[in-house]
Amino acid sequence: QAQLVESGGGVVQPGRSLRLSCAASEFTFSSFSMNWVRQTPGKGLEWLALISHDENTKYYADSVKGRFTVSRENSDNTLYLQINSLRPEDTAIYYCARDRSMKMGRVFFHWFDTWGQGTLVTVSS
Amino acid sequence: DIQMTQSPSSLSASVGDRVTITCRASQSITSHVNWFQQKPGKAPNLLIYAASILQSGVPARFSGSGSGTLFTLTISSLQPEDSATYYCQQSYTIPIPMYTFGQGTKLEIK
Repeated sequence: QAQLVESGGGVVQPGRSLRLSCAASEFTFSSFSMNWVRQTPGKGLEWLALISHDENTKYYADSVKGRFTVSRENSDNTLYLQINSLRPEDTAIYYCARDRSMKMGRVFFHWFDTWGQGTLVTVSS
Repeated sequence: DIQMTQSPSSLSASVGDRVTITCRASQSITSHVNWFQQKPGKAPNLLIYAASILQSGVPARFSGSGSGTLFTLTISSLQPEDSATYYCQQSYTIPIPMYTFGQGTKLEIK
């Protein structure tokens, strides 16, 4: 069964940077696009970024564009999220999620079928 | 950006009840909606994708319907283990992926 395990969270001061990792196992990581999603008590679930299987295409939510960078190392089965200039409002649980897709007719449908357990990032001085 | 508005934000129902949660998109997204269940301290769990396709392993009492801008998640006969928060998500990728979630519906068992 596919598995994702996030790491790298912790307590960080405002303005600092942090890199989160997501280790994948039990599936062919290099064949799947991957996502990052975060969850805060106040704003619920927020999609952050998508990276294609070959790292050639990346998309970001407008709210994090320019500060967050998604990357991956397929040889290591690992997904990353670099967060710069951390703000208190970045305090959240960060999840990675596998992107599944299927063509039905002329259209591709996407969904997140596997999630990690999440890693907590707390931004506080 | 496409906004997803869920209703109600919370509800309480009894075991055996039929429960419906609604999600409205700010523009037409055909059938690009997914539904998730989340229990406290756990990651979201996929229930339904492409508006109406049941994810493997999910009990058949869960179903999804809708297209365009209005979507529903229905639990046909509520069970105690269905106590959770439910989220819709739009996965429309035109012109680019900008997946957004509804604000969630907290379901409690009376």
